[in-house]
Amino acid sequence: AQSVTQLDSHVSVSEGTPVLLRCNYSSSYSPSLFWYVQHPNKGLQLLLKYTSAATLVKGINGFEAEFKKSETSFHLTKPSAHMSDAAEYFCVVSLYNFNKFYFGSGTKLNVKP
Amino acid sequence: ETGVTQSPTHLIKTRGQQVTLRCSSQSGHNTVSWYQQALGQGPQFIFQYYREEENGRGNFPPRFSGLQFPNYSSELNVNALELDDSALYLCASSDRGNGYTFGSGTRLTVV
Repeated sequence: AQSVTQLDSHVSVSEGTPVLLRCNYSSSYSPSLFWYVQHPNKGLQLLLKYTSAATLVKGINGFEAEFKKSETSFHLTKPSAHMSDAAEYFCVVSLYNFNKFYFGSGTKLNVKP
Repeated sequence: ETGVTQSPTHLIKTRGQQVTLRCSSQSGHNTVSWYQQALGQGPQFIFQYYREEENGRGNFPPRFSGLQFPNYSSELNVNALELDDSALYLCASSDRGNGYTFGSGTRLTVV
């Protein structure tokens, strides 16, 4: 079975401190991996994607993620959190040449002043 | 500003009824996928269409069906609505794997 697990349902950081949102996947095949962000009452926005090129992927708004095959992880990081980063983040794995998609259960990021 | 629009934004239906949700994809995006997002959960993949053919399906029963049209629009149809079908339904389009653009969704309430 293929799936994606987001290890933390809630993460709280102070503004200006680093952000780490954890994601592990299980797959028998080479996956494509994505991170999406969902602000309240808004649609999902693509932050970044990994599709078997460079293992360190840079996305929008200063976010980046590193694909680690040996650890089956794709954690999302940002060096310095902003208040506007408060939202829910979803890790997504795509299999079978983008014919199936699996979302993690989401991580709600809270940023304290 | 998203290039994917969904209609209606909100809808209330009675158990047992049928519903059609609509999505207009970004021009040139020949792949569209639909998701169900229940309250407090991540989106669940329903199915995907590529050039008007279904080419991927999640764990949803046959009463969830879809259509994709040549003008980049698509529909999600749900028959025999159940209370558990109450959710946000999201449509996403792509030019084949290069990241998906999501619409803002249709909030369906089944009473």
